[in-house]
Amino acid sequence: AQKITQTQPGMFVQEKEAVTLDCTYDTSDPSYGLFWYKQPSSGEMIFLIYQGSYDQQNATEGRYSLNFQKARKSANLVISASQLGDSAMYFCAMREDRDDKIIFGKGTRLHILP
Amino acid sequence: GAVVSQHPSWVICKSGTSVKIECRSLDFQATTMFWYRQFPKQSLMLMATSNEGSKATYEQGVEKDKFLINHASLTLSTLTVTSAHPEDSSFYICSATKGGAQETQYFGPGTRLLVL
Repeated sequence: AQKITQTQPGMFVQEKEAVTLDCTYDTSDPSYGLFWYKQPSSGEMIFLIYQGSYDQQNATEGRYSLNFQKARKSANLVISASQLGDSAMYFCAMREDRDDKIIFGKGTRLHILP
Repeated sequence: GAVVSQHPSWVICKSGTSVKIECRSLDFQATTMFWYRQFPKQSLMLMATSNEGSKATYEQGVEKDKFLINHASLTLSTLTVTSAHPEDSSFYICSATKGGAQETQYFGPGTRLLVL
């Protein structure tokens, strides 16, 4: 069964607008972590933000914030004030704390329009 | 920071040859390293988990005799694609973790393999 679901294969957003990238997950492990990575065309994986399952507050890192809704098993990434350099592939990922593996969603390709 | 390097960054080889890819954690000791494979416009697929001094744990469907993983030290893991064929052409990415439940994985820059 797919554990990480990203339903938006592609998105087009006007520069300076906020954008929300959707991610839902499935796990029976009560302890887990959720990650978002950015992959530009160069291929490198850039870590953006982390949310632990027991964290009470939504994680924030600069322009990135994670809208964590545990009951809905949702971990959407919000990018505020989007920039042209935000154009990339974005992957949501999860690690169940019973092992070290990180499993990735299929990704969302974000295009920022000037 | 935590830096992971990969070498080579790209390789072109003839069908039937073997290719070795190195993954190094430059400024930390990695308790665990991971190898992923990514086809164009697709997600990263975990191939195997590698712990120093022990045999790698392969994901279902990954041929362990085809993709040999050696994790000789806390800073180096190697992936050898044996008898490579055109269908092995892909982007191979390694990652390393310092350990701990809240630790992220630090990714290498990836290796593009093209088998002719």
